Amino acid sequence: GQNIDQPTEMTATEGAIVQINCTYQTSGFNGLFWYQQHAGEAPTFLSYNVLDGLEEKGRFSSFLSRSKGYSYLLLKELQMKDSASYLCATLDSNYQLIWGAGTKLIIKP
Amino acid sequence: NAGVTQTPKFQVLKTGQSMTLQCAQDMNHEYMSWYRQDPGMGLRLIHYSVGAGITDQGEVPNGYNVSRSTTEDFPLRLLSAAPSQTSVYFCASSTGPENSPLHFGNGTRLTVT
Repeated sequence: GQNIDQPTEMTATEGAIVQINCTYQTSGFNGLFWYQQHAGEAPTFLSYNVLDGLEEKGRFSSFLSRSKGYSYLLLKELQMKDSASYLCATLDSNYQLIWGAGTKLIIKP
Repeated sequence: NAGVTQTPKFQVLKTGQSMTLQCAQDMNHEYMSWYRQDPGMGLRLIHYSVGAGITDQGEVPNGYNVSRSTTEDFPLRLLSAAPSQTSVYFCASSTGPENSPLHFGNGTRLTVT
């Protein structure tokens, strides 16, 4: 079956660095997305990886290893506004999105 | 820059009632979709459309209907509401169904009693 695993909740300190992991088992692979979702709001796009390696976008970076079925989202210089849920989603062989349940990130001052 | 507009924001229905959730986008996106989001679960696709006049079922289509008469609008109809349909519903659009990012509406929180 198809499965995406993310930690349910993580806590980090303002100004620190946090890594949110995502492992996946899907039928085929055509890329992996990360979205941010603040409580009570809509998800918003953060990143898309289809090739192995690290993609950096300001304070946020996303890494992909296709051979390991693994990705992570790295958030640097954490700010209180980064408190949100982070959703991992993969595109399977039929180009259908498979979503993880999301990781709730709590930032403490 | 309205993006994707969903209405209503909140709705309470009694079991057996029907209603339509509205979704409109002004970005000329061909691809539109409806998701439901439940606690502890990933987003689940209800129905989607790759263009006007074309719709298809997603992972959890039972109890819902859609139509796509124009590029802009993609309403979701609940035929006979059930408590299991209590959820947060999101409409989303993109330029294509593949590696294009989804643009989400602000969601509709539906409670069925």
